[in-house]
Amino acid sequence: QKEVEQNSGPLSVPEGAIASLNCTYSDRGSQSFFWYRQYSGKSPELIMFIYSNGDKEDGRFTAQLNKASQYVSLLIRDSQPSDSATYLCAVVSGYNTDKLIFGTGTRLQVFP
Amino acid sequence: ETGVTQTPRHLVMGMTNKKSLKCEQHLGHNAMYWYKQSAKKPLELMFVYSLEERVENNSVPSRFSPECPNSSHLFLHLHTLQPEDSALYLCASSQDSLPGELFFGEGSRLTVL
Repeated sequence: QKEVEQNSGPLSVPEGAIASLNCTYSDRGSQSFFWYRQYSGKSPELIMFIYSNGDKEDGRFTAQLNKASQYVSLLIRDSQPSDSATYLCAVVSGYNTDKLIFGTGTRLQVFP
Repeated sequence: ETGVTQTPRHLVMGMTNKKSLKCEQHLGHNAMYWYKQSAKKPLELMFVYSLEERVENNSVPSRFSPECPNSSHLFLHLHTLQPEDSALYLCASSQDSLPGELFFGEGSRLTVL
């Protein structure tokens, strides 16, 4: 079982729709969860982090965490073509808190 | 200069060459990282330095040798690499207490012939 799992996509949504990106993780001891966005040919950049169960909103982005079910998701409201990128889910290991474990990423395509 | 800068951005080397990748951060962070990004694979953590001491060596082959002379600079020395080492090598920095909040450089694209 992969430590952090994401559907590779591509996930295609029309402009203005809600994009829903999902991630599951295997380490029950993990406490910190992150979403990075990586445009093609660029390096990853942090867009959201969440530490507590529930929702966290930042502009058009909402991160959702459910530790009991071991999943974390990212919702992008009013999706724009500029949101087209690969979204990487990352989890700090519960047994090695210096280690950030990444999923393979979900490629999002927002079409006009 | 701001953020995290990496040089060179592209590097082609033969299997017998020796080269180095350089990373410099201007964010005042005290932890620095090397990650490897290959197609279809998740980002792989290679090395972590915290306060200039190596705290993580993620089973990386000895042909990769890191060096962290101070909290702002990080090197990755490369020698006798294999073609499967071709990848994007990303440097990142963070505050030591926030290992998940990474700031990445633009990466060094390495091709081993």
